[in-house]
Amino acid sequence: GAVVSQHPSRVICKSGTSVKIECRSLDFQATTMFWYRQFPKQSLMLMATSNEGSKATYEQGVEKDKFLINHASLTLSTLTVTSAHPEDSSFYICSARRANTNTGELFFGEGSRLTVL
Amino acid sequence: SQQGEEDPQALSIQEGENATMNCSYKTSINNLQWYRQNSGRGLVHLILIRSNEREKHSGRLRVTLDTSKKSSSLLITASRAADTASYFCATYTNAGKSTFGDGTTLTVKP
Repeated sequence: GAVVSQHPSRVICKSGTSVKIECRSLDFQATTMFWYRQFPKQSLMLMATSNEGSKATYEQGVEKDKFLINHASLTLSTLTVTSAHPEDSSFYICSARRANTNTGELFFGEGSRLTVL
Repeated sequence: SQQGEEDPQALSIQEGENATMNCSYKTSINNLQWYRQNSGRGLVHLILIRSNEREKHSGRLRVTLDTSKKSSSLLITASRAADTASYFCATYTNAGKSTFGDGTTLTVKP
């Protein structure tokens, strides 16, 4: 099976600091990774699409300077929440699409719960 | 409203009963997928049904797709307490876009 590792699973930080979340595809190459935010008892909200070697595509309403995404290799994408504030507290999930496939099947990380004090 | 609406929002059943969840969508799709999410965890892919398929089975899961009505259903037979989770449908278009539904929270009581 395809495994996606997301780290850290939980992070608590002070307001104003930056937090980096990593998403790695462990046994496959992922040309495209996705970052979501999920509020309690709600569905996934797509924040941005991360393409290896190019700039991320952000969804409407998502601040690209606030949520920095880097996809430097075929197995790693990072999301950095800059100058975090309590309203950024949420559950962030990444997913990856296997390269050279067209089924749209997504492999998800386990999520990262961010708490900003 | 967003593509991929699901109903019911919440479903509570006894162990051994069947659980049915429905998903409706608005645009043409390449395929439709169902995912499961345990509380506080990531999503796990359950099953994929292509637009030219009408029904698919995988273990205790049965998925149907009606492209004329733009709807799909997920049936879990002989449910177990371990099936307690949120279930999401996701449509995948030929343009390469995936859209998730609002999800159904299933509680299976032992």
